Amino acid sequence: DVKVTQSSRYLVKRTGEKVFLECVQDMDHENMFWYRQDPGLGLRLIYFSYDVKMKEKGDIPEGYSVSREKKERFSLILESASTNQTSMYLCASSSRAGANVLTFGAGSRLTVL
Amino acid sequence: AQSVTQPDIHITVSEGASLELRCNYSYGATPYLFWYVQSPGQGLQLLLKYFSGDTLVQGIKGFEAEFKRSQSSFNLRKPSVHWSDAAEYFCAVGEWKYGNKLVFGAGTILRVKS
Repeated sequence: DVKVTQSSRYLVKRTGEKVFLECVQDMDHENMFWYRQDPGLGLRLIYFSYDVKMKEKGDIPEGYSVSREKKERFSLILESASTNQTSMYLCASSSRAGANVLTFGAGSRLTVL
Repeated sequence: AQSVTQPDIHITVSEGASLELRCNYSYGATPYLFWYVQSPGQGLQLLLKYFSGDTLVQGIKGFEAEFKRSQSSFNLRKPSVHWSDAAEYFCAVGEWKYGNKLVFGAGTILRVKS
């Protein structure tokens, strides 16, 4: 069964801390995505990557960066966490071939105090 | 720019009743349309998708959706709702590109009363 695994389901961090959210997929997918989910706002795209070492900004990249050194791993980095980054973060991947349907991880709920 | 509107934030239906969740999109070309479902504490699961062809598409769990180009709509339907259908439902629109970004609606929370 295809899988997208987010290493941390729940994190609590303090303002100003550096935060790493890790995502690994085992489907050999070319594309990977980080979305942020907030009530009433749906999912908003932060960054995506369509190849190793490639990245593109989504709709809300401010305050975030990403890293994709290996095809299967896509990391989201909060350089200096702020309280307004308290949210659910969803990682997804898709294949360039075929239907490009997104497969999602279970999510990482981040609380910044 | 692409956008998706889900007009209903919450919907409550009785178990066994029919369901229709509304979705309207804004997109210049022929869109790729999706419905995802999210159960509490879980990630998103694909229910169904429309790329081309027959405008009525069947999905998992007994759901279907109809693409209506003239109304820019892609409403999700189910003839008889089960208590396990209680979840949040997201409509999304995308385009055929290497990155295949999806734009999501705000979601509709479905409550099922017994």
